[in-house]
Amino acid sequence: DADVTQTPRNRITKTGKRIMLECSQTKGHDRMYWYRQDPGLGLQLIYYSFDVKDINKGEISDGYSVSRQAQAKFSLSLESAIPNQTALYFCATSETGRAGEQYFGPGTRLTVT
Amino acid sequence: GDSVTQMEGPVTLSEEAFLTINCTYTATGYPSLFWYVQYPGEGLQLLLKATKADDKGSNKGFEATYRKETTSFHLEKGSVQVSDSAVYFCALGPDSNYQLIWGAGTKLIIKP
Repeated sequence: DADVTQTPRNRITKTGKRIMLECSQTKGHDRMYWYRQDPGLGLQLIYYSFDVKDINKGEISDGYSVSRQAQAKFSLSLESAIPNQTALYFCATSETGRAGEQYFGPGTRLTVT
Repeated sequence: GDSVTQMEGPVTLSEEAFLTINCTYTATGYPSLFWYVQYPGEGLQLLLKATKADDKGSNKGFEATYRKETTSFHLEKGSVQVSDSAVYFCALGPDSNYQLIWGAGTKLIIKP
């Protein structure tokens, strides 16, 4: 079984709808991350969490919110989706003290029409 | 601020060719350097890393050496296979917020 899972894998939604993307991990890591990937732009960090009570904004947090429900679960919400949020979204985890060694989920492809 | 620059892709090679993907960086302090690989339809996975100057990271036939004098961490492989077709990301860090700084990625296409 995969160590980092994301649901759904694909989602098509309309402008203005609320969307939640979910991430679960079995690696026992404290740190979790949400990234967005657009073609040719690499990865952009949306939010990151060091533990359940420590959540931080990344470089592109506007229009997004997150919830760390447990050590193993980290959800990303788009409160009112817009077309330029169409992208591939990745969740990742890492151990405390090893932030460079991240483990990624398979990604969620989100399309906002 | 710190940054990573990778060569633009796609890079197209024939099977068994020699591969180099260039990565240069600017950084204050002494960051670690990483190469990640993203196979089609999958998430990224760590390929190799180097934590200090002159270190060589290696994995699956790929190598990269942390060169402080040229601020580079070029990825090399002596003989590529079709299965190496993927997007390769160079990264440095962690920064003061314990985050990685990512390059834009280089798409590699290997033709049989």
